[in-house]
Order: sequence, then C-alpha cells, then structure tokens
Amino acid sequence: DSGVTQTPKHLITATGQRVTLRCSPRSGDLSVYWYQQSLDQGLQFLIQYYNGEERAKGNILERFSAQQFPDLHSELNLSSLELGDSALYFCASSPETGGGYEQYFGPGTRLTVT
Amino acid sequence: GNSVTQMEGPVTLSEEAFLTINCTYTATGYPSLFWYVQYPGEGLQLLLKATKADDKGSNKGFEATYRKETTSFHLEKGSVQVSDSAVYFCALTLNTGGFKTIFGAGTRLFVKA
Repeated sequence: DSGVTQTPKHLITATGQRVTLRCSPRSGDLSVYWYQQSLDQGLQFLIQYYNGEERAKGNILERFSAQQFPDLHSELNLSSLELGDSALYFCASSPETGGGYEQYFGPGTRLTVT
Repeated sequence: GNSVTQMEGPVTLSEEAFLTINCTYTATGYPSLFWYVQYPGEGLQLLLKATKADDKGSNKGFEATYRKETTSFHLEKGSVQVSDSAVYFCALTLNTGGFKTIFGAGTRLFVKA
C-alpha cells in the first residue's frame, strides 16, 4: 500500500459526459501528479501540482483540467468524453518537487467510455 | 526532444535465469533515472533510482547504473523468480520549469517455474 488513494476504482460513462477523479496523496506529500495509461499510448504524464499550484504540464488535453485543494487532495476533471479517453488514470505523490524524488502511485481509476 | 526507449517485450525467462532489460534515454540537462515495476492490477512502485552519473541503484537483487556516456540505465538481476513477473518501466525526471517525468513503454517479464 503506497498511501495514495484514488476514487472511484472503476467508472463507466457515455461519450459526451463529464467525470471527476479524486486523489488523496500520502500524508505530508505536497506534490501530486496525474498520468494516463492506455494500451496504445503507454503511460503519459498529464499534469503536476505542488502545494496547490500547477508546476508542470504534459500531454493534457484542453478538455481535461485538474486542481489541488488546500488539504492537498487533487481532482482531475474530464469533460466531453470520447471513446479514446478510456484508460487507467493514475495519481502519484511525492514529498517535494524535485528531480530526485520518487513518486508513490495510487491504484488507479479505470475509466470506460461507451 | 526528451524520451526513454526500452527493449520491447515480452521477455520470457526460466526461474534463476539472468535478466537484462535495456533502457536508453535522450534528455537535455541532467535527469534523474528510475525503474518502476507494475504488478497485475496495481499501480507502479519504485524499484530503484539513480540521480547522477555513475550512481548505481539497487533493490531486491535488481541493479542499474546511470551511464552518462552511453545515456543508458539498463536493469539487471542475477537470478529471477516467478514472483518477478511484472511490467518494468524505465523513467527519467527533468527540470523543465517544473519536474516532468517521462516513462518508457514498459517491458513485460514472464518468469516460468
């Protein structure tokens, strides 16, 4: 158990809908990262937050947005969903923001868009 | 651009065989390098890391050395077990204004008893 929790575990929704994925980092970790894992694209970095502020952006679509709240939990919002958004979404956390810090991954949320 | 290239899998070995999974990278600057492992149905977990050239990361019998001259971070284990069957990801983290992590495509390892 990494100490990172993600809810829900599974989500099935229809095209065009909007969903929110939630992540609680390990106790004391200030940095949160979001990743998308799909069979064809592999593991793609989406976005990083550090202590409430956006720090780094990866291949995140404009239909997707995220935020980190004062209690350090984070939410990833996916809107106007398409079939291709079906994937595993992982959240990870680390104590600080820095190149040498390992990331602790949550169990993931499996999103299926039908 | 910045990237990580891993050998394609799946890799199938018998128990107690020697394992090498190749990883090379392209990066501007001085990245930190990581190997993560993903067991079925789980998230990734750190296996080992190295933060500067010539550092050797090691854990649970796995080793990898940060080779700046060959831009490589190959994963090795002298004697694999069935319980090592998983997907292994090589990754680098770079300071690009924020710290961005780039993962390789992953290499699936099957170990037969």
